[in-house]
Amino acid sequence: DAGITQSPRYKITETGRQVTLMCHQTWSHSYMFWYRQDLGHGLRLIYYSAAADITDKGEVPDGYVVSRSKTENFPLTLESATRSQTSVYFCASSEWWGRAQHFGDGTRLSIL
Amino acid sequence: AQSVTQPDIHITVSEGASLELRCNYSYGATPYLFWYVQSPGQGLQLLLKYFSGDTLVQGIKGFEAEFKRSQSSFNLRKPSVHWSDAAEYFCAVGADSKTSYDKVIFGPGTSLSVIP
Repeated sequence: DAGITQSPRYKITETGRQVTLMCHQTWSHSYMFWYRQDLGHGLRLIYYSAAADITDKGEVPDGYVVSRSKTENFPLTLESATRSQTSVYFCASSEWWGRAQHFGDGTRLSIL
Repeated sequence: AQSVTQPDIHITVSEGASLELRCNYSYGATPYLFWYVQSPGQGLQLLLKYFSGDTLVQGIKGFEAEFKRSQSSFNLRKPSVHWSDAAEYFCAVGADSKTSYDKVIFGPGTSLSVIP
């Protein structure tokens, strides 16, 4: 089925560990996004990508790394996890920059 | 750059009653406007979108929204709410532009509770 899938759905890890959240879309959308959602802060953009090998920072990029070697995949890596990165992470894709975004079901990440 | 406000943090309505969720935006040109719904444990789902043309837009699940340029508003409505409509609702504004400032901005959300 066409769509956007995130894995894992749930992840518990420890501070200092590296963790990678995966995102895969089947629409061949050019744009992909990573958000984090926290109570009191709403949705905050971490990184986005306009195409394969083109990525740029959003509002809260510190502590995160992204890559996009293929159009359909957009992994997000926390190089050295901190407790402040405990959050729900959403991946989204869209055909164009200001257009409607399609969201995955999210990854709930807990850092102990 | 754009901005979005949703004045109501939380709204409670009775099942069968009508609903209106408010959204106000700020943008210098004609915006693209969206409403999303998020059920617990789920991602955001697009309810409807406005790009141009008819200012009354129909969406999924019986929702509609009206774009009022003079009031910079894009309020979401439903004539009769169902218990399954209880969720978080997000208004968002975007633009058909290649500049990095014209990205999609999401409002803070309105939480809807439905009383049986």
